[in-house]
Formats: sequence, C-alpha cells, structure tokens
Amino acid sequence: AIQLTQSPSSLSASVGDRVTITCRASQDITSALAWYQQKPGKVPKLLIYDASSLERGVPSRFSGSGSGTDFTLTISSLQPEDFATYYCQQFNNYPHTFGPGTKVDIK
Amino acid sequence: EVQLVESGGGLVQPGRSLRLSCAASGLTIDDYAMHWVRQVPGKGLEWVSGISWNSGSRGYADSVKGRFTISRDNAKNSLYLQMNSLRAEDTALYYCAKGLYSGYDGYDAFDIWGQGTMVTVSS
Repeated sequence: AIQLTQSPSSLSASVGDRVTITCRASQDITSALAWYQQKPGKVPKLLIYDASSLERGVPSRFSGSGSGTDFTLTISSLQPEDFATYYCQQFNNYPHTFGPGTKVDIK
Repeated sequence: EVQLVESGGGLVQPGRSLRLSCAASGLTIDDYAMHWVRQVPGKGLEWVSGISWNSGSRGYADSVKGRFTISRDNAKNSLYLQMNSLRAEDTALYYCAKGLYSGYDGYDAFDIWGQGTMVTVSS
C-alpha cells in the first residue's frame, strides 16, 4: 500500500500567518491527492482535490500544489476558523490511504 | 438537504458480525463511487473500503480484507458494509463518503460525508 507522510505533525500559528503543510507519497500518485480539514467532533471536509483544484465553497486562501510524490497545502492568511487538523489522501490506487494528519493550533 | 446517514453500529463481541448501512437523501448515489472510512476517536482517518458506481470494482484496506464486504443497492440509494470476524481494533466511528465524480470507479476524492456510526468491539 502507498504510504503518506505529512509534515509537520503539528504547528502553532497566528491569525494572518502563511501556513504550509507537506504530504509525501511513497510512490508516484500523479495528481491523485486530496486535502481535508477536520475540526473536533466534526466530519472531514474536502478542501482540495486532484492535488490543486479548489472544492466549491472553499475560501481561496486555501491552495494545493504538487504532483508525483510531493504535495503542498498552503493557507495564505490563517483565519480563526482554520484551526483544525488537515489530512492528505491518495486515491491513485486501492487501497486508498490517508496521511497521519497535521494539527494547526493557535500560537 | 443533501446528506448521508449511517446506521447499524453498536456494541458487539469479538468474532461476531455487524452490518452497517448508509442511506442517501437529497441526492442519488447511483452514478458515484462510495466509500467507508473509519476513525478511532481522537485518532486519524483510515480508509476501509470503496465500491464503484456499478459495483464492478471494489477495494479494501489490508486490515479488513477477507473479513469485510462492501455492497450497494442503487435502487434503494444505499451503501452497506458487512463486517465479519470483528476484532477490538475495528472499534471506531465509521463514515460513509461519496466520490466526487460521476461515473468513476472509486479513484477520486470524497465530497460528501455522513456523520458516522460508532462500532465498539468488546467482550
């Protein structure tokens, strides 16, 4: 199975900061990667699909980039509602896999 | 309102079986791949299984292969997960999720998620 690693595992940031989270796949997954946001007690929410496409209704401060094995989720200006855990997911092959998550909290 | 509603969770003894259901309302899922994802409270997400729109393709996590079976009934707008030989490590909140693209075999992101149903495996 394809393994996904995320870095950092957690970070502390302030409102207005630019935040970057990386996701690395153990083998080439082309652009078959999604990013999800999950807040405590809530259902995961799709942010980015196909590595760089913004899901409808998601603020434009979120962006995704990368292909192959290295991917990035960027929040250009962190807002109070963005404090959450972020997961990457590959869907290039079965079994699909999720990264371990990156928790973003308030500095 | 577009929603997926899971049911069938509960407390079950190790080695026993359980069948989860996911009913869609406000949308028809017959053109979309569907998936099950689980999450131990306080831990990360784990993809469990997926099925293509026409049931022609199915996939399973290594941890459940041979024990779990995914199926769907498009006439009933529903998804199922038959879980046999349950283990303590299967304890988790189980979500169903819908694939993003119409007509795909399951190789796409998940745009709609249910609220989940809790499965607890314990004697």
